Amino acid sequence: GQSLEQPSEVTAVEGAIVQINCTYQTSGFYGLSWYQQHDGGAPTFLSYNALDGLEETGRFSSFLSRSDSYGYLLLQELQMKDSASYFCAVRDGRIYNQGGKLIFGQGTELSVKP
Amino acid sequence: GAVVSQHPSWVICKSGTSVKIECRSLDFQATTMFWYRQFPKQSLMLMATSNEGSKATYEQGVEKDKFLINHASLTLSTLTVTSAHPEDSSFYICSAPMTGTRNTEAFFGQGTRLTVV
Repeated sequence: GQSLEQPSEVTAVEGAIVQINCTYQTSGFYGLSWYQQHDGGAPTFLSYNALDGLEETGRFSSFLSRSDSYGYLLLQELQMKDSASYFCAVRDGRIYNQGGKLIFGQGTELSVKP
Repeated sequence: GAVVSQHPSWVICKSGTSVKIECRSLDFQATTMFWYRQFPKQSLMLMATSNEGSKATYEQGVEKDKFLINHASLTLSTLTVTSAHPEDSSFYICSAPMTGTRNTEAFFGQGTRLTVV
């Protein structure tokens, strides 16, 4: 089966940098994704790592180390609007639209303070 | 704009009644859609995989007779919660992959907040 672990909550101040870690155990690995979810809303895609290393998208970056079964999401120049839940997720299957499905971590609630 | 549309966004129903939730892919075909359930402050839990033209695949512990899934066309999947009870109150979300992408991104509907009273 698949399982993912991430911290339940993180607090930071505006303008700071925060890192949300995720460790996973999977029977097969097809990439690690990150999603953001605001209260009452749907998850929105942030990033995806299939290979080791850092992927940068604006203020958000995501890192993966397959040998350590570990990844993290890095949020820079934090803004109040970044307060949300952040989920790491792995795909349970090689090809998403042909059967692969997402298994989510428990989510990390990020609170950004003024 | 939204690529997956889910309706209704919220519904309140009486215990014992059934509720239907629709999930539509906009401007693309989705042979597969996924239904998730999320309780407050918890993660998204996959309930079932909806396959166009065939039976849905349910995750362990999900009652197929209670959560009826129909994927009658390439753009529409429906989830019907039958004989709803208060414990079925939750946030239900569908997702679909868009053909032609790198298959790295899941598109989610807006979600349906179900409250059973």
